[in-house]
Amino acid sequence: QQQVKQSPQSLIVQKGGISIINCAYENTAFDYFPWYQQFPGKGPALLIAIRPDVSEKKEGRFTISFNKSAKQFSLHIMDSQPGDSATYFCAATLLQGAQKLVFGQGTRLTINP
Amino acid sequence: NAGVTQTPKFRILKIGQSMTLQCTQDMNHNYMYWYRQDPGMGLKLIYYSVGAGITDKGEVPNGYNVSRSTTEDFPLRLELAAPSQTSVYFCASSYSTPDSSTDTQYFGPGTRLTVL
Repeated sequence: QQQVKQSPQSLIVQKGGISIINCAYENTAFDYFPWYQQFPGKGPALLIAIRPDVSEKKEGRFTISFNKSAKQFSLHIMDSQPGDSATYFCAATLLQGAQKLVFGQGTRLTINP
Repeated sequence: NAGVTQTPKFRILKIGQSMTLQCTQDMNHNYMYWYRQDPGMGLKLIYYSVGAGITDKGEVPNGYNVSRSTTEDFPLRLELAAPSQTSVYFCASSYSTPDSSTDTQYFGPGTRLTVL
């Protein structure tokens, strides 16, 4: 019940296109859903996050869509740029107490120029 | 602020050897975490700490030990290294209160460990 499943494993998008990464979770108690971005040789860095009381959150070119009934959430990257090429992880956790993140398997995104 | 620092960056161990991975944060964060990242997999939580002197197990604690004697430091100890512990290890920290509405965990650059 703690799993977070992420797809696709890898994604190639042309510059200027829309990148979409999907995640599904099982534990309905989760109340915080962040996305992390990781460049090669670096640690993950928080990109954007959402609480389940809203269905969408937008920050610049990055948008999270959240479907509570389906237990799914997705990351949309608009106008994808070569600098967006990285590995993206979705995660889920309970905010109360220690925030023990449960991560998806990751998506390696490549933006072709 | 240096953020979260980890040493060493790389290490090769022989089966049965022991070592300590160091983690230090200078942000006065109360929570600290250790994760491991295997190829093609997401990060899995090994241990975490909610403050000095308080630690608890995460999803994959077997073969590891931790201690938290200060707010800044959270070392991870491998006592008898096994090939299954070959991985990249990330330390993270965050500041949380009982009514936190967000959680930004700041990750260190990682330690790449190979056990042969």
